[in-house]
Amino acid sequence: QQQVKQSPQSLIVQKGGISIINCAYENTAFDYFPWYQQFPGKGPALLIAIRPDVSEKKEGRFTISFNKSAKQFSLHIMDSQPGDSATYFCAASYGNQFYFGTGTSLTVIP
Amino acid sequence: DSGVTQTPKHLITATGQRVTLRCSPRSGDLSVYWYQQSLDQGLQFLIQYYNGEERAKGNILERFSAQQFPDLHSELNLSSLELGDSALYFCASSRDRARETQYFGPGTRLLVL
Repeated sequence: QQQVKQSPQSLIVQKGGISIINCAYENTAFDYFPWYQQFPGKGPALLIAIRPDVSEKKEGRFTISFNKSAKQFSLHIMDSQPGDSATYFCAASYGNQFYFGTGTSLTVIP
Repeated sequence: DSGVTQTPKHLITATGQRVTLRCSPRSGDLSVYWYQQSLDQGLQFLIQYYNGEERAKGNILERFSAQQFPDLHSELNLSSLELGDSALYFCASSRDRARETQYFGPGTRLLVL
């Protein structure tokens, strides 16, 4: 059973465009929602994270939007650049349990 | 570079065999996490150790075990290997028990033939 559902599986965006990746969850016990970025041959790296007491968090070109009532959260990458091409994972956590989404492969075309 | 090191980078073995993957956390980090990443299952949390003690278990098979040593490095032991165990195995570390800001190592790619 997939605890965190992520979409789309792959995404192609033009340089300068907005990339949007969505995640949904069911377990209301989750209290920490990070996003990870993974380049080929590397381990995932924490990009940005949010807790359910805020609806939005912005760090540079990356924004998490969080909708507690809908049990959804999304990553927005503004002004997408070719260097953003990577796989992005959302995750949800409570206690000491961690659940990852299945990943989104983002390609930014120059 | 996250500061987390994993050895070996690649490992090829046969079904039924046993292997040991090694992880050294970032300096000062007390928690170590192990993850399995495969094409069909995605990234799955296996187990967490904090300062030498097991803290949390995820989807870890009984054929797999781990430990964290007094110098805080950790080993993941995989036994009676099956074809389906072929995957990338990541180790991550964090400063304390909190699961925030985990730093991932480069991974060990295991191929079971």
